[in-house]
Order: sequence, then C-alpha cells, then structure tokens
Amino acid sequence: DTAVSQTPKYLVTQMGNDKSIKCEQNLGHDTMYWYKQDSKKFLKIMFSYNNKELIINETVPNRFSPKSPDKAHLNLHINSLELGDSAVYFCASSQEGRVTDTQYFGPGTRLTVL
Amino acid sequence: GQNIDQPTEMTATEGAIVQINCTYQTSGFNGLFWYQQHAGEAPTFLSYNVLDGLEEKGRFSSFLSRSKGYSYLLLKELQMKDSASYLCAVMDSNYQLIWGAGTKLIIKP
Repeated sequence: DTAVSQTPKYLVTQMGNDKSIKCEQNLGHDTMYWYKQDSKKFLKIMFSYNNKELIINETVPNRFSPKSPDKAHLNLHINSLELGDSAVYFCASSQEGRVTDTQYFGPGTRLTVL
Repeated sequence: GQNIDQPTEMTATEGAIVQINCTYQTSGFNGLFWYQQHAGEAPTFLSYNVLDGLEEKGRFSSFLSRSKGYSYLLLKELQMKDSASYLCAVMDSNYQLIWGAGTKLIIKP
C-alpha cells in the first residue's frame, strides 16, 4: 500500500490555466506538507497543515492555495499558472506535527507550464 | 543568510566506503536530516541527528558536530542501488527545514 500518494504524476499545461494536484496519506499522520523542487534540486517548503490548520505559509504567491478536506488529504490548487511554476511538487506527511518528526514523501508531480 | 553546502557529485566503487559532507550556517539549530533520493523519485528518510556524535544504522552512519556546523553521511559496503542523490537538511530555530541541493553519488562496478 502506498503511504503517501499524489495525482497526477505528470502535468503539462498552458500558461494562465488553473490546475490542482491531489495528495493523500494513509499513515494516520496529523501534518501534511507541500514542497517545490526546482531545476537545481532545492526543496522549498510551501505549506504545511496540521489538523486542518495552516501552520507554515512560506512567501509563496497567493496563486497557490492549499486545500485540506480532511486529515488524510492536502490538495494544492494553482491559479494563473506561469512558466516559473514548472517544477516537481512533493507532498509529505509526518506524525503528530512535531517538527522533528520524520517526513514521508509522495512520489512527486512533475508540472510543466508551456 | 542560511546556507547548506554539500559537494555536487561524488563517485565511488562498489563495495567501498564513501563519506558525504554537509556544512551549514543557519539561524539556530533543531536537528539535521539526511535523505536519499533516487532519480525521479521522492526523498526517503535516512537519519536524524540533534546531538553531537555518530549514529549508526546498518550500512549507513551519520555524524554531527554542532560546534563546527558539520555533518557527514557514511555509506559502507556500497551497492549499485546506493547510486542516488543524498540531501542534507537542517531545521532552524523557527523549526523550518532548510535543504541543501544534494550530492549525487555515482557507484561504479
């Protein structure tokens, strides 16, 4: 069974479109995260959710909005996509939201904006 | 500013030992993580150090010196499947993870 899953794995779209990436974890974890990994392989945290509350919100454009319908899901919605949004987006989860908890990553979604 | 430095790429031979270094300068310290990432896949947790010293876990060991802002990941008895990128990440005083760019490890037969 996949612990952290993301869909889609690949997403190719035009500039200006709106798209969503879905994430689900079946680990019973309390905290979920979204990371962006750029072409230089740097991982940058974008958001984290603990029990449906946003607890970290890095200085990302407000075109990005996380949506958590329940503890097991954290979706990433992106409005008005730009070329610079092209990257791999990783979802992750950790137990109980303790900052030192190990984070378990999903397989990633490779977003290409044309 | 906050900075994590790792070598970009290293090459080692199957069966040998390799040490991947990581130096950091962050605003505060709440632990250092090592992750393994195979090409096209998600990072996988390897180790977590918050106290000085060596933590051993099978073929992999991780060392930390907080006074020197330095850590290393030691891989023994290298196998071809160890070919991957190894990411060093430090948790700062705000409990945010600062990631290095990773070290690409190439294993040769």
